[in-house]
Amino acid sequence: DTAVSQTPKYLVTQMGNDKSIKCEQNLGHDTMYWYKQDSKKFLKIMFSYNNKELIINETVPNRFSPKSPDKAHLNLHINSLELGDSAVYFCASSQGPGQGYNEQFFGPGTRLTVL
Amino acid sequence: KQEVTQIPAALSVPEGENLVLNCSFTDSAIYNLQWFRQDPGKGLTSLLLIQSSQREQTSGRLNASLDKSSGRSTLYIAASQPGDSATYLCAVKKEWWGGSEKLVFGKGTKLTVNP
Repeated sequence: DTAVSQTPKYLVTQMGNDKSIKCEQNLGHDTMYWYKQDSKKFLKIMFSYNNKELIINETVPNRFSPKSPDKAHLNLHINSLELGDSAVYFCASSQGPGQGYNEQFFGPGTRLTVL
Repeated sequence: KQEVTQIPAALSVPEGENLVLNCSFTDSAIYNLQWFRQDPGKGLTSLLLIQSSQREQTSGRLNASLDKSSGRSTLYIAASQPGDSATYLCAVKKEWWGGSEKLVFGKGTKLTVNP
């Protein structure tokens, strides 16, 4: 069974469109994250979400909004897509908060291409 | 601000060689350090997790060490095989806002093991 899953795996879309990426974890974890891996392969955190508390990296544009229907899901919605949004987006989960010593588990990634 | 550096950026070795990948971080206030493997176009696979109170962890042909005071970690791969070819990422877990945590990644070392 896949621990952290993401859909779709690939997403190609036009500038200006709105799109969503879904993430689900079956590990019973309390905290979920979104990371972005840019064209230079550098991974950087975007959001941390636990029990309806959202922590946002200040560099993330407000066109990006995570939405969590329940503890096992954290979807990423992106409005008005721009060329610079092209990247691979990774979802992750871990036990916590206050469980800082635990491992983070990553999904397989979603490769977003904005044309 | 936590920065993670990995040296070298790329490494090419013949099959069977033992090798060491290096990771350094600027802030020793970490919860743990994780080594990941990323294959081209794939997600992240966690290899080893070292808690801040530990000195090393071993899994099969892999051994990771941690010297928190000097801000260094090494990943030792014994008897390398072509299947070990991948990008290896080092990440430190630290406190973020509001009691949450985040991983701060290095840019990775791209390893190629030649048959």
